[in-house]
Amino acid sequence: EDQVTQSPEALRLQEGESSSLNCSYTVSGLRGLFWYRQDPGKGPEFLFTLYSAGEEKEKERLKATLTKKESFLHITAPKPEDSATYLCAVQAVQDTGKLIFGQGTTLQVKP
Amino acid sequence: DAGVIQSPRHEVTEMGQEVTLRCKPISGHNSLFWYRQTMMRGLELLIYFNNNVPIDDSGMPEDRFSAKMPNASFSTLKIQPSEPRDSAVYFCASTWGTDTQYFGPGTRLTVL
Repeated sequence: EDQVTQSPEALRLQEGESSSLNCSYTVSGLRGLFWYRQDPGKGPEFLFTLYSAGEEKEKERLKATLTKKESFLHITAPKPEDSATYLCAVQAVQDTGKLIFGQGTTLQVKP
Repeated sequence: DAGVIQSPRHEVTEMGQEVTLRCKPISGHNSLFWYRQTMMRGLELLIYFNNNVPIDDSGMPEDRFSAKMPNASFSTLKIQPSEPRDSAVYFCASTWGTDTQYFGPGTRLTVL
């Protein structure tokens, strides 16, 4: 069964304190791994798509990486506005219509 | 450019009543997805359409739930009769083919 596990569930950082969020996945054949950001009361907002092991993508203070078993979302020198829930999802080759989501990591960055 | 539009944004109803949620996908997208988000189960796919045809409804919890997509610019998710355990945030998302899914703002449903 395809599965996504995110850790930690919650993370508190001081402004400027870099850290990483983990997304471990089990999928029969990976077509793509997606990262979304969700603010309270809003829909998930797309951040990145990674397709193959070794791929990396960056956007401002965020950098996503991918291996054959997991993905990391690295946050460098975070700011309070980076506080949100970060969701990871996988898309399988056999069923490209579906995204299977993890439970998310809720990040709080304190000034 | 307008994103995915959902209505209503909030719905409060009593157990046993019919609830209809509405979604307008991004223009030009040909795939539409309905998700439900709860604290316990996270974000889970209920059903998705491709070119207005339901492809996979295995996530629909039971016969009380139904979804339609009469044309490329409109879809509904109906719950009849509603139950308190249906309380959740319901999201609609759309995409072209199998590309990145873009989500709407959601409908927060409360069933009393």
